[in-house]
Amino acid sequence: DIVMTQSPDSLAVSLGERATINCKSSLSVLYSSNNKNYLAWYQQKPGQPPKLLIYWASTRESGVPDRFSGSGSGTDFTLTISSLQAEDVAVYYCQQYYGTPPTFGQGTKLEIK
Amino acid sequence: EVQLVESGGGLVQPGGSLRLSCAASGFTFSSSWMHWVRQAPGKGLVWVARINGDGSTTRYADSVKGRFTISRDNAKNTLYLQMNSLRAEDTALYYCARDPLGYCSGGGCSWGWFDPWGQGTLVTVSS
Repeated sequence: DIVMTQSPDSLAVSLGERATINCKSSLSVLYSSNNKNYLAWYQQKPGQPPKLLIYWASTRESGVPDRFSGSGSGTDFTLTISSLQAEDVAVYYCQQYYGTPPTFGQGTKLEIK
Repeated sequence: EVQLVESGGGLVQPGGSLRLSCAASGFTFSSSWMHWVRQAPGKGLVWVARINGDGSTTRYADSVKGRFTISRDNAKNTLYLQMNSLRAEDTALYYCARDPLGYCSGGGCSWGWFDPWGQGTLVTVSS
């Protein structure tokens, strides 16, 4: 199985500041034939199901605020929130869909400082 | 509106069985790959099982293989998860989710991301 490792496990950022979450895969999730990274990001608020934010590593889902962005390729990826809002408090997960089974990172808890 | 609504969770003794359902609406269910993903209390997300659009192919996590069966009724727009020989470690919130990308071609099968997710149904395995 492809192991996904996120860092940090938790993060406290001031309102309006940048938040950065990292995700590293044990194998490359870049498919050479289409040059796409098979990597998604989700946001899970307390008591709610996960919500898709980003797929193909950098494609923002419709309706997701543009302060959320994804970057990276191969084995190293980043989710950036450019200006943290109070409603962004949540746990964030990365997920690879390159290999079987699909696997998730352990999650990063984002709080307000 | 695309919607998934799970049901069927509850308290069951170790070794018991339970069948979860997921009612889908707002999209073409019969052409969509579907998944079950679970989340133990206070823990992360773990993929459980997947089924293709016509129900002809399924895949399972090693931890549930031989005990769980994923199926679907496209006439009823409903996904199922039959869970047998339940263990304490199966205790979790079970989500169904759509895979917008999943397909198989001559070169193999390709998975996608999960969107949307249902609200989940809680399964507790305890004596």
